[in-house]
Amino acid sequence: AQTVTQSQPEMSVQEAETVTLSCTYDTSESDYYLFWYKQPPSRQMILVIRQEAYKQQNATENRFSVNFQKAAKSFSLKISDSQLGDAAMYFCAYRAFFSGNQFYFGTGTSLTVIP
Amino acid sequence: GAGVSQSPRYKVTKRGQDVALRCDPISGHVSLYWYRQALGQGPEFLTYFNYEAQQDKSGLPNDRFSAERPEGSISTLTIQRTEQRDSAMYRCASSLAPGLASTAQETQYFGPGTRLLVL
Repeated sequence: AQTVTQSQPEMSVQEAETVTLSCTYDTSESDYYLFWYKQPPSRQMILVIRQEAYKQQNATENRFSVNFQKAAKSFSLKISDSQLGDAAMYFCAYRAFFSGNQFYFGTGTSLTVIP
Repeated sequence: GAGVSQSPRYKVTKRGQDVALRCDPISGHVSLYWYRQALGQGPEFLTYFNYEAQQDKSGLPNDRFSAERPEGSISTLTIQRTEQRDSAMYRCASSLAPGLASTAQETQYFGPGTRLLVL
């Protein structure tokens, strides 16, 4: 079974600084998708960024970028120029490419942004 | 509507009662997912549909849990004979298309959730 691990339950960052959230996963599949979702206090789940495993280039989305290391099964999220609105719970998620639409989520990292 | 909606937002029930949780996905979205999320944890997959067909129900905890999406739009998650351990946030998500699709089509949009408390 696939598992997703987020080893940092809590992180903090100074406003305007950069922070990196870690995620590792375990899978025997070669093709899959990886995601980072943000869950603010409102508790909506918002897609931040997505990476296809077959793409070597790391995905970027404005201030958000990932460091995808397929061999190491690592998928970290970098947030640059952190803003107060970035404070939220961040979840890493995995979905297999071929074997269905089941998503596996990590336990989350709570990010605090310090003004 | 503009997003995924769920009702009720909060449900308090007594142990042994049945509850039905409703999800109204974004119009035109093919895939619909149900998750359960405990406080401080990530969403736990329960089941999903493509159109009206239930594709995977491997995440349903036991046979007290069932889900349907009879017309390929609104879905209902039913929990029979509720137990205190069923208390959680139940979340629904939808996506435009399943499987091999573009980023926009495959992105899941989550609803606000239904907070269930079983006394």
